[in-house]
Amino acid sequence: QKEVEQNSGPLSVPEGAIASLNCTYSDRGSQSFFWYRQYSGKSPELIMFIYSNGDKEDGRFTAQLNKASQYVSLLIRDSQPSDSATYLCAVNIGSSNYKLTFGKGTLLTVNP
Amino acid sequence: NAGVMQNPRHLVRRRGQEARLRCSPMKGHSHVYWYRQLPEEGLKFMVYLQKENIIDESGMPKERFSAEFPKEGPSILRIQQVVRGDSAAYFCASSTGLAGAADTQYFGPGTRLTVL
Repeated sequence: QKEVEQNSGPLSVPEGAIASLNCTYSDRGSQSFFWYRQYSGKSPELIMFIYSNGDKEDGRFTAQLNKASQYVSLLIRDSQPSDSATYLCAVNIGSSNYKLTFGKGTLLTVNP
Repeated sequence: NAGVMQNPRHLVRRRGQEARLRCSPMKGHSHVYWYRQLPEEGLKFMVYLQKENIIDESGMPKERFSAEFPKEGPSILRIQQVVRGDSAAYFCASSTGLAGAADTQYFGPGTRLTVL
């Protein structure tokens, strides 16, 4: 079983819609969850992190964590063409709080 | 307020040569991480270093790869006798090293290594 799984997409949404990105992880002991955005040919850029069950909102972004289901998601409201990128889910696996395991990413395309 | 710096941004080497990748962490950060991203693959953890110490190198290939973070100067990822399979983007990240779940990693622009 892969440690961090994401739907590779591409996920295509119209401008102004809500984009929903999902991630599941295998290690029940994981404590830290991160969403990074990566534009083609660029480096990962931190969008949000979440540690506690429930929702965390930051502007147009909402991260949702459900540890019982081992599931973390990212919602992007009022999607813009500039949101078109690959979104990477990262989870700390095992007992360390530093060793991040990344999913392969979901490619999001926002159509004008 | 410089972020994580990496150089060179692009590096071309012939098979058998050595590649040296450098990383300077963000100001105030003392922990450095190296990741590799192969084409169509996810980011893979390679090594975690603090000043003068390798904390975790479980993701490093056993041969040809080494990393250091000296007391003075940048962290160096060294690849000896490069092969075509080493062609990838190598990213450095840094963090403050806070205990618990609060230690967020910020990434540099990466070095894109091409082995001819």
